[in-house]
Amino acid sequence: EPEVTQTPSHQVTQMGQEVILRCVPISNHLYFYWYRQILGQKVEFLVSFYNNEISEKSEIFDDQFSVERPDGSNFTLKIRSTKLEDSAMYFCASSEGGALYNEQFFGPGTRLTVL
Amino acid sequence: GEDVEQSLFLSVREGDSSVINCTYTDSSSTYLYWYKQEPGAGLQLLTYIFSNMDMKQDQRLTVLLNKKDKHLSLRIADTQTGDSAIYFCAEKMGDDKIIFGKGTRLHILP
Repeated sequence: EPEVTQTPSHQVTQMGQEVILRCVPISNHLYFYWYRQILGQKVEFLVSFYNNEISEKSEIFDDQFSVERPDGSNFTLKIRSTKLEDSAMYFCASSEGGALYNEQFFGPGTRLTVL
Repeated sequence: GEDVEQSLFLSVREGDSSVINCTYTDSSSTYLYWYKQEPGAGLQLLTYIFSNMDMKQDQRLTVLLNKKDKHLSLRIADTQTGDSAIYFCAEKMGDDKIIFGKGTRLHILP
């Protein structure tokens, strides 16, 4: 069964460093998403991406964040200068379409620890 | 504003029914979901209900929606050890984003 994969499973970085979290969405999906979950908090929407551009982003997704689909398979989230409060589990998701009824399939997450 | 609330923990004996409750604030949501997260795994969509329905049954799962009270529940009949996981209540806002609760950790007692 096709699934969303994410690498690495755990990333440790120093404050101020740049990190890139990688995701491989399901191959025929066209819509891509990033969510994050700070420990003990809710899963929060960060950004959605379609047709090589951001379609919606939350207040969390400030200038320190960027997303890219550098090739036909990967979808990346970059944090330019990490802060302690960026420590969280980051989930990638993809869906076949963008309509309400299209299910978003989630990856297993990347745990980011900022020291 | 958009908010989804659910209790954090639930312990149930194996074979009993589990009922996980959730409240949400935004009445404009059209789809409400229950996701399951097992250790080390991603969020798996368990079931969903469209906002013009009040009940949906799928094998051992029953979803009840009270739109007036903005209350959603998930009942798992004959709870088994494999049901041990975190269950997230969520609502779909517009076409893109999903608003999640904090998740309810279901613990199965022998």
